[in-house]
Amino acid sequence: AQTVTQSQPEMSVQEAETVTLSCTYDTSESNYYLFWYKQPPSRQMILVIRQEAYKQQNATENRFSVNFQKAAKSFSLKISDSQLGDTAMYFCAFMKPFTGNQFYFGTGTSLTVIP
Amino acid sequence: NAGVTQTPKFQVLKTGQSMTLQCAQDMNHEYMSWYRQDPGMGLRLIHYSVGAGITDQGEVPNGYNVSRSTTEDFPLRLLSAAPSQTSVYFCASSYSLESSTDTQYFGPGTRLTVL
Repeated sequence: AQTVTQSQPEMSVQEAETVTLSCTYDTSESNYYLFWYKQPPSRQMILVIRQEAYKQQNATENRFSVNFQKAAKSFSLKISDSQLGDTAMYFCAFMKPFTGNQFYFGTGTSLTVIP
Repeated sequence: NAGVTQTPKFQVLKTGQSMTLQCAQDMNHEYMSWYRQDPGMGLRLIHYSVGAGITDQGEVPNGYNVSRSTTEDFPLRLLSAAPSQTSVYFCASSYSLESSTDTQYFGPGTRLTVL
């Protein structure tokens, strides 16, 4: 099984500030996919951003961007201009290709945005 | 589209009882998966399916059975519930993620308590 590590169980940020959530993973594969999911108190899993390992360019999605360091096996999520609605659990996930879309999740980071 | 639906939303069982968690999707997705979410452990894959009639085990399959007789439905069966199966269960579906820029879509979850 793949290992995905999120070393920050809890974080907080002031509204309108920037915060970075860290994620590292362990794999011997050269091609794979990485995801960040958001889980608000409603429990719904919502995709934040996706990155393909073969792409050197870091993915961005509005206020969300990643810093993908393939050699270091690091995939951090940066949230700019934090909003109260960003308060949620954030999960990093890894997927090997051609394995039936099996996801391996980290243990999550609970983010609180402070007004 | 209703997306991914799960029933029931909540369930309490006694040790040794059996039950089936229902999952359905109306997006014509080939791939479907079941995950369980436990505090401090993220989501872990129980079983997955790459199409009707094809299922396989994930990371934590013991105590669970699945079948996939149609594209739309992917029920999860607990044959003899144990307290260790107390968890929140998520069903997910998707197209092949190697050939699209899409992701897995998750249902709203079922909170199961085994006494």
